This record gives sequence, structure tokens and C-alpha cells, in this order.
Amino acid sequence: QKEVEQNSGPLSVPEGAIASLNCTYSDRVSQSFFWYRQYSGKSPELIMSIYSNGDKEDGRFTAQLNKASQYVSLLIRDSQPSDSATYLCAVNPLGGDSGAGSYQLTFGKGTKLSVIP
Amino acid sequence: EAGVTQFPSHSVIEKGQTVTLRCDPISGHDNLYWYRRVMGKEIKFLLHFVKESKQDESGMPNNRFLAERTGGTYSTLKVQPAELEDSGVYFCASSQAGGGYTFGSGTRLTVV
Repeated sequence: QKEVEQNSGPLSVPEGAIASLNCTYSDRVSQSFFWYRQYSGKSPELIMSIYSNGDKEDGRFTAQLNKASQYVSLLIRDSQPSDSATYLCAVNPLGGDSGAGSYQLTFGKGTKLSVIP
Repeated sequence: EAGVTQFPSHSVIEKGQTVTLRCDPISGHDNLYWYRRVMGKEIKFLLHFVKESKQDESGMPNNRFLAERTGGTYSTLKVQPAELEDSGVYFCASSQAGGGYTFGSGTRLTVV
């Protein structure tokens, strides 16, 4: 059974602080990793993807991947109240745009983030 | 560019009835996926189309669920007959290749 584990939270951080969201996964062959943001009652929105060990930065967001530890994290710098949402970690056994097979994603339950003004 | 469109946005049906959900993917996206989120649980994969072909339907819960994608454009997901445990939010997503998807806004299905 492939699993993706996230702390459900809620995680509360003050405005301007760094929010750190963590995710572990059980399927060692996983190659692609994604973070989605979901506002209440809305659809998941892709905010970051990462395929290689190390850090990947995009604006205020940094994704970190450690395949040996089967761990992926998302850092949000200078957190804003508008970042308050549920953050979903998702993994896939295939690499990036491999063009073959199923791109089935396994999701965690999500971590609810609350940024306090 | 129009996003992934799903309708209806909400559906309330009685146990034993039939419901059909529709998804229009982003134009040009060959890959179309159906996912479901049951209350309190994680989003779970149902199936994956590449154009009109079912690439992976390992997540379909049982034979009461039938998905089609005629002509490789829009897709429908029919539940017949619906049971109480089928209640949840059904998401459709599409992508050009692998990687991150674009999700639709979902259909909230309530079976009473």
C-alpha cells in the first residue's frame, strides 16, 4: 500500500514567518513530487514540482527533496494571510515527462496552514 | 486558456439512482484523470485516460462506476446505482504529459 503521510495540522505561523510543511512517502521508487494548495471549497492548485534531490526555489516557495530519507518538504517564506490553505503533498512513481505509463498521483491528507496577521 | 470544467458542481441523489458527471479538459490535453475525495480521507485516484483509451483504471472502486471519453475530448463518469458511500467530491484533472495536473473545481456528490 503506497502511502503519503502529512501532519494534518493546523499549523499556525505569524505573518512574515517561515512556514515549514513536511511529507514522507512509503514507495521508494517514487520519482515525481508535487505540492498543491487547496483553499476551502476550491480545487487543488499546483504550486511546486520537484524531481531531483535538493532544493528548488520559486518565489517565496522552496521545495526540498531527500529520496534517501523518503522525505519532501515545502518552505513558505514571508508567509501571508493569503497563504492560509490546506497544502497537499502528492507523489508519482514516474519521472517528470516520461511519456509512458500512468501518472497516477498518491496524495497525502494535507496540512492545514493558518497564517496569523 | 480555459481551465478544466466540471459539471454539475453539486448533485444530490437518492440511493439507487444514477448520476453522470462530466469533465471538459483543457484543450489539447491528452491525459485526463478522475479522482475522488471522501470526507476525512485523502484524494484518491480513480482512473486515467490517454486520449480515448483507459491507461489505468486501477482505482475504480467497483463495477457501478463507468467512465468514458468518447473522441478523446470530454469525459463522463457514471455511477449506477449510487450508494451512500459514493458521496464525496469528484475531481477531474488534465495534463499534456506527466507531471503536475490542472484540476477542475470538482463535483460534490451527495447520496441520501
